[in-house]
Amino acid sequence: DIQMTQSPSTLSASVGDRVTITCRASQSISVWLAWYQHKPGKAPKLLIYKASDLESGVPSRFSGSGSGTEFTLTISSLQPDDFATYYCQHYNSYFRTFGQGTKVEIK
Amino acid sequence: EVQLVESGGGLVQPGGSLRLSCAASGFTFSSYSMNWVRQAPGKGLEWVSYISSTSSTIFYADSVKGRFTISRDNAKSSLYLQMNSLRDEDTAVYYCARDPYSTGWYWFDRWGQGTLVTVSS
Repeated sequence: DIQMTQSPSTLSASVGDRVTITCRASQSISVWLAWYQHKPGKAPKLLIYKASDLESGVPSRFSGSGSGTEFTLTISSLQPDDFATYYCQHYNSYFRTFGQGTKVEIK
Repeated sequence: EVQLVESGGGLVQPGGSLRLSCAASGFTFSSYSMNWVRQAPGKGLEWVSYISSTSSTIFYADSVKGRFTISRDNAKSSLYLQMNSLRDEDTAVYYCARDPYSTGWYWFDRWGQGTLVTVSS
């Protein structure tokens, strides 16, 4: 099974900050990676797929990059609505696994 | 508007059974593969099971293989998860989640709000 490791686990930031979350795969997954935003009690929301493709309707302040085993999600200017937990997920095989999550908190 | 609405969660004793349902609307259900994904309290997301658009291909996570059964009724635009021999560690919010295509494995482009399953004596 492919293990996904995110860092940091928790991130404290202020509105307007540039935020970067890293996701590492235990083996190469090419660009088969997605990012989600999840708020308590709500449905997870797809942000990025194929490592860097922005899902329709997602603000352009979100961007993704990387390939192989190392990936990043960047929020260029953090907004109040962005405080949430973010997950990466590979789809290199049918057994899709998620990172453990990164909680973005208000500083 | 795409909607996925889960139901059927609740409190069940260890060893018991429960059947979850997911009602889909706002899209052609029969054209998409579907999944169940769960989140245990205080934990991250875990993929549970996959079913292709025609039910020809089905996969399970090792943690539920032999105990859970995924199925779908395209005429009713509904997805199901039959959960047997439930364990404490199956306690979680269960989400149904859509793949963007009819076959193969990809990202999850639409999710429901989830239904809580609690396994406890």
